[in-house]
Amino acid sequence: AQSVTQLGSHVSVSEGALVLLRCNYSSSVPPYLFWYVQYPNQGLQLLLKYTSAATLVKGINGFEAEFKKSETSFHLTKPSAHMSDAAEYFCAVTPKAAGNKLTFGGGTRVLVKP
Amino acid sequence: GAGVSQSPRYKVAKRGQDVALRCDPISGHVSLFWYQQALGQGPEFLTYFQNEAQLDKSGLPSDRFFAERPEGSVSTLKIQRTQQEDSAVYLCASSRKLETVTMGEQFFGPGTRLTVL
Repeated sequence: AQSVTQLGSHVSVSEGALVLLRCNYSSSVPPYLFWYVQYPNQGLQLLLKYTSAATLVKGINGFEAEFKKSETSFHLTKPSAHMSDAAEYFCAVTPKAAGNKLTFGGGTRVLVKP
Repeated sequence: GAGVSQSPRYKVAKRGQDVALRCDPISGHVSLFWYQQALGQGPEFLTYFQNEAQLDKSGLPSDRFFAERPEGSVSTLKIQRTQQEDSAVYLCASSRKLETVTMGEQFFGPGTRLTVL
């Protein structure tokens, strides 16, 4: 069975500072990995995904994530936080097989201070 | 183009009532997923359809939960005899048919927030 652990349920950063959200997964083989963002009262929006191509993945809104197989990690970063980045972020995995469900982490809520 | 839509957006039910939650996926999307998101937690998988076929219902918490997609487009999640622990946001997602090389992205609707009193 797969699982996802997101360290820190809440993260507070200053505007302009680095955003770092941690995600570790447990899987017998490297899965597909995703980061989603959820704004209040909205559905989840895909930020980026890892599907066995480049280990450094660039996404929307200036976010990127690096897949590290040896550490079973897929941490999300953004060099400079913006007020609009305040939201909840979810890491998710799915096995490399057609039609499989996403397994999500517990989420990390980001607060951006002016 | 239109995204995934869900209705109603909010539903309040008395314990013991039956509820039906609707999902309209993106036109042409073959795969449809339902997830349950409890307050302060990540979404958890409930069930998956490919066209009208329900291929995975391993996440349904009890036999009070039932989902259908009779014509391979709109889907309904039905909860019978609702309990307080059913209170959550129910998310629907759709995706194109998966290709062999890349993973089909799941597009999520805004969810239905169910409150059982």
